[in-house]
Amino acid sequence: KAGVTQTPRYLIKTRGQQVTLSCSPISGHRSVSWYQQTPGQGLQFLFEYFSETQRNKGNFPGRFSGRQFSNSRSEMNVSTLELGDSALYLCASSSTAGRGDTQYFGPGTRLTVL
Amino acid sequence: GQNIDQPTEMTATEGAIVQINCTYQTSGFNGLFWYQQHAGEAPTFLSYNVLDGLEEKGRFSSFLSRSKGYSYLLLKELQMKDSASYLCAVRDRTGANNLFFGTGTRLTVIP
Repeated sequence: KAGVTQTPRYLIKTRGQQVTLSCSPISGHRSVSWYQQTPGQGLQFLFEYFSETQRNKGNFPGRFSGRQFSNSRSEMNVSTLELGDSALYLCASSSTAGRGDTQYFGPGTRLTVL
Repeated sequence: GQNIDQPTEMTATEGAIVQINCTYQTSGFNGLFWYQQHAGEAPTFLSYNVLDGLEEKGRFSSFLSRSKGYSYLLLKELQMKDSASYLCAVRDRTGANNLFFGTGTRLTVIP
């Protein structure tokens, strides 16, 4: 099986712009979670989508949003970019959310905000 | 709130054994995960514990004590390629996939 794929891998934007990141989960996986990774804060949960519905949300401002399509692919959008949004954005997929269900991570999108 | 603590850095010698500790305080508990992350790469799954005790998988073992809010990852016969960050993560409820991560332990294996 192919792993989780994310596009683009690298992105450079300026403050005030918006950005859309894409994630394709492992085939058959219906849950997609997004995380932000920074050197100071580590990995922080953004949100999770399951069957096109946002099931959980972390403590991030409303500028961060996402959606999931019927084929389980997911997109994440950040509007009005700030310098502090520079980070590695990781998505992870799992088959459901059952006991012992493991999340498998994609390679991430490295976002730099200038 | 959720709190996951791990040492920031550790150094160990090739061929040796190293134990990476993780303590957690979460509002609920539905499993603890360990991931390995090499610099510039995605985290890769190492182990999962939901019941107390030791889970062994080759050179890697993970232990959990739910009453103490404590886990450790044990790496045996260290190899240079084991130099990486090791992330402890807790899932705090069923039917959800939001993991709470520690900031990770950067392990350096020296010859």
